[in-house]
Amino acid sequence: DTAVSQTPKYLVTQMGNDKSIKCEQNLGHDTMYWYKQDSKKFLKIMFSYNNKELIINETVPNRFSPKSPDKAHLNLHINSLELGDSAVYFCASRRGLARNTGELFFGEGSRLTVL
Amino acid sequence: EDQVTQSPEALRLQEGESSSLNCSYTVSGLRGLFWYRQDPGKGPEFLFTLYSAGEEKEKERLKATLTKKESFLHITAPKPEDSATYLCAGIYGQNFVFGPGTRLSVLP
Repeated sequence: DTAVSQTPKYLVTQMGNDKSIKCEQNLGHDTMYWYKQDSKKFLKIMFSYNNKELIINETVPNRFSPKSPDKAHLNLHINSLELGDSAVYFCASRRGLARNTGELFFGEGSRLTVL
Repeated sequence: EDQVTQSPEALRLQEGESSSLNCSYTVSGLRGLFWYRQDPGKGPEFLFTLYSAGEEKEKERLKATLTKKESFLHITAPKPEDSATYLCAGIYGQNFVFGPGTRLSVLP
C-alpha cells in the first residue's frame, strides 16, 4: 500500500494548457508539501499545507495553485503552462510541524513535459 | 537565505573503496539535518536524521555524522547497489532546504 501516491506519473502537454497533479497520503500526517525538481536535480519547495492551511508559499508564479480539500490530499493545478514548467514535481508529507516530528515521506514524482 | 551545499558533485568509487560525502549548511536557524537517497526515476528515500553536533547514526554500510557546521555521510566498503544520488536537507522553520546532491557511482 503506497504511503504517498501521486497521479499522473507522466504528463505531456502543450504550452498554454492547464493541468493538475493529485497527491494523497495514507500515513495520517498533518503536513504536506509540493517540491519541484528541475533538470539539474535541485529540489525546491513550492508550497506546504498543515491541516488544510497554507503555511509555506515560496516565490512561485500565481499560475500555480495548490488545493488541500482535506489533510490527506494536496493537489497542484497549473494554468497556462510554459516550457520552463517542465520538471518533476514531488509531493511529500510529514507527521507534523514540531522539530522532532520526523522526516519527509516522498511520492514517486510526476514528470511534466511541456512542448 | 538558508543554504545547503554538498560536495563532491559526483563521485566514482570502486567496490570496497570507502569514502565520505560532505554537506555544509547555514548554521543559524537549523532545526535538524536529514540525509536521503534518490534512485533514478524515484522519490527521495529517507536515510538519517541528526539533530545535535556530535550525533552519529549508522545503517549497514552508511554512517552519518554531524558537526557544528557540516555533516558527513561515510560509506564503508560500498557495493554497486549503493549507486544513487545522496541528498542532504536542513530544516529551517517548516521548510526542508535541500542541497544539490552527490551522484555516487560504485563500480564492480
